[in-house]
Amino acid sequence: EVKLVESGGVVVQPGGSLRLSCAASGFTFDEYTMHWVRQTPGKGLEWVSLITYDGGTTFYADSVKGRFTISRDNSKRSLSLEMKSLSIEDTALYYCVKDQLNLCTSSSCWVFEYWGQGTVVTVSS
Amino acid sequence: SYVLTQPPSVSVAPGQTASITCGGNNIGSKSVHWYQQKPGQAPVLVVYDDSDRPSGIPERLSGSNSGNTATLTVSRVEAGDEADYYCQVWDTTSDQSIFGGGTKLTVL
Repeated sequence: EVKLVESGGVVVQPGGSLRLSCAASGFTFDEYTMHWVRQTPGKGLEWVSLITYDGGTTFYADSVKGRFTISRDNSKRSLSLEMKSLSIEDTALYYCVKDQLNLCTSSSCWVFEYWGQGTVVTVSS
Repeated sequence: SYVLTQPPSVSVAPGQTASITCGGNNIGSKSVHWYQQKPGQAPVLVVYDDSDRPSGIPERLSGSNSGNTATLTVSRVEAGDEADYYCQVWDTTSDQSIFGGGTKLTVL
């Protein structure tokens, strides 16, 4: 069974930093592209970032580019999101998401197949 | 960047058919994926690549995509279909994934 467990969400002041983690199990982690997707309270979904299975390619949403860094440790089956210069607009539930197809680095493959339950980040003074 | 437009809400009586649209410039040239999200739960993939269904998703949910509109159709609607539905594409111009604003399906 695929399992994605996010952690690291807390209350942080504007301008602060935070690191989210995602522990993965139930699948061959080092074969799948992984994503972070966030959802603001009562609102819609926003894709944040992706990292290909080999860590060789990363992409970011314009809203986080230059402030967030995605990384992975395949030996530990772990995905991370380093977040800096946080603003109130970053307040959201952050989901760790597994891609659908393995060993694929093409955008034609990037479909959000399995989602964790999310971790809440609150940016507030 | 690329924009996907969904109606905020769609209402339908049980047993009827609901159509949820997702509009975008020449969206027919892209692969569209759909997600269902029930209150308090994480989203679930229900249709990918315009019209394919993951295992376990009932045939009552189907998708199509042409021109400037993609459509998720829910046939023989049941109370359990009540949820928010989101469309999603990958925008190759900006190298970003884009979600529609979501549509709340209400079963009357």
